[in-house]
Amino acid sequence: NAGVTQTPKFRVLKTGQSMTLLCAQDMNHEYMYWYRQDPGMGLRLIHYSVGEGTTAKGEVPDGYNVSRLKKQNFLLGLESAAPSQTSVYFCASSYSSGVQETQYFGPGTRLLVL
Amino acid sequence: GQNIDQPTEMTATEGAIVQINCTYQTSGFNGLFWYQQHAGEAPTFLSYNVLDGLEEKGRFSSFLSRSKGYSYLLLKELQMKDSASYLCAVVSPGGYQKVTFGTGTKLQVIP
Repeated sequence: NAGVTQTPKFRVLKTGQSMTLLCAQDMNHEYMYWYRQDPGMGLRLIHYSVGEGTTAKGEVPDGYNVSRLKKQNFLLGLESAAPSQTSVYFCASSYSSGVQETQYFGPGTRLLVL
Repeated sequence: GQNIDQPTEMTATEGAIVQINCTYQTSGFNGLFWYQQHAGEAPTFLSYNVLDGLEEKGRFSSFLSRSKGYSYLLLKELQMKDSASYLCAVVSPGGYQKVTFGTGTKLQVIP
């Protein structure tokens, strides 16, 4: 049981390049989330998914797209990377939307955009 | 809107007790989480409070006062491994688990 995994762990991009971050969970969770974490700021929600085939915008969705084609995977795409997207990206999942459901986080992807 | 305040940094001595405070103003309240995050790692769950009062779990306890918009995390018998950031996070109504995170309190435990 690996929990939540993320690939890659670290990536350097040039401005304008594109990339996809992969999140996978093996806990059969319905809900998945993408956050970014920046110094001096809390984790901020980018996009989330309430089930296979569904996605929705979070607090800071601009410049990102997501897809949830399989229940266990949640992809985050950057079509044209910008230096402002330099951050640590965390994926999380939860079994349901219950208010006391714990979110389980992946180890993070560190992205540097030059 | 959502606003969560925590101290940025704290230092405490090994074996001592430390209290990390969190105040919040949010539109709607469905509970409050505390997460622990070691440097370079993922946040991990510590506690969840939805009712007023103290919840104790081993060396860690969490307190909530909904009327005051206030919570604290109490760590007893501090160990060096407790050096980490502690994130306060409030759950609001939203159709999904809408969680707003504070900026975190970086705790350094010194010998």
